[in-house]
Amino acid sequence: AQTVTQSQPEMSVQEAETVTLSCTYDTSESDYYLFWYKQPPSRQMILVIRQEAYKQQNATENRFSVNFQKAAKSFSLKISDSQLGDAAMYFCAYRRETYSGAGSYQLTFGKGTKLSVIP
Amino acid sequence: KAGVTQTPRYLIKTRGQQVTLSCSPISGHRSVSWYQQTPGQGLQFLFEYFSETQRNKGNFPGRFSGRQFSNSRSEMNVSTLELGDSALYLCASSLVFDYEQYFGPGTRLTVT
Repeated sequence: AQTVTQSQPEMSVQEAETVTLSCTYDTSESDYYLFWYKQPPSRQMILVIRQEAYKQQNATENRFSVNFQKAAKSFSLKISDSQLGDAAMYFCAYRRETYSGAGSYQLTFGKGTKLSVIP
Repeated sequence: KAGVTQTPRYLIKTRGQQVTLSCSPISGHRSVSWYQQTPGQGLQFLFEYFSETQRNKGNFPGRFSGRQFSNSRSEMNVSTLELGDSALYLCASSLVFDYEQYFGPGTRLTVT
């Protein structure tokens, strides 16, 4: 079974600074997808960024980028120029690529990291 | 395009009762997944439906069930509610061959 671990329950960052959230995962699959989701106090889960395991290039979405280390099974999220609106719970998630019976297509989430942004 | 909608947004039930939650996916999305979120267990997968068929099920007791209709709308039902069923229930939809799931705002269920 796949597992996702976020070792930092809480983090804080000064506004306009950069912060990195850590995520490690365990899988025997070679093809899969990784995601970072943001959940603000409104509880609406919002996709921040995604990474396909077969792509060596790290994904980037505006101020958000990832450091994907497939061999180390590490998938960290870097937030640059942090803004007050970035304050939220951040969840790392894994999904198998292909359908192969039970467990396929479900997202496996880490426990989350609560990010606070200090003005 | 309208997002995923879930009704009701908040619900209070008593132990032993049953409850039905509804999810309307984004138009054109045929896969609907359900997740339970609690402070202790985090986000856990309940089940996934595609074309009215349950394709995957998480490790939850049989009191948790669901279904999907021909218009892709989905419902989940919890019978004989327990205090531990208090949670935020999230629904997510996706296209057939797309790996990206779009989440609804959730239904907050409180069992007293």
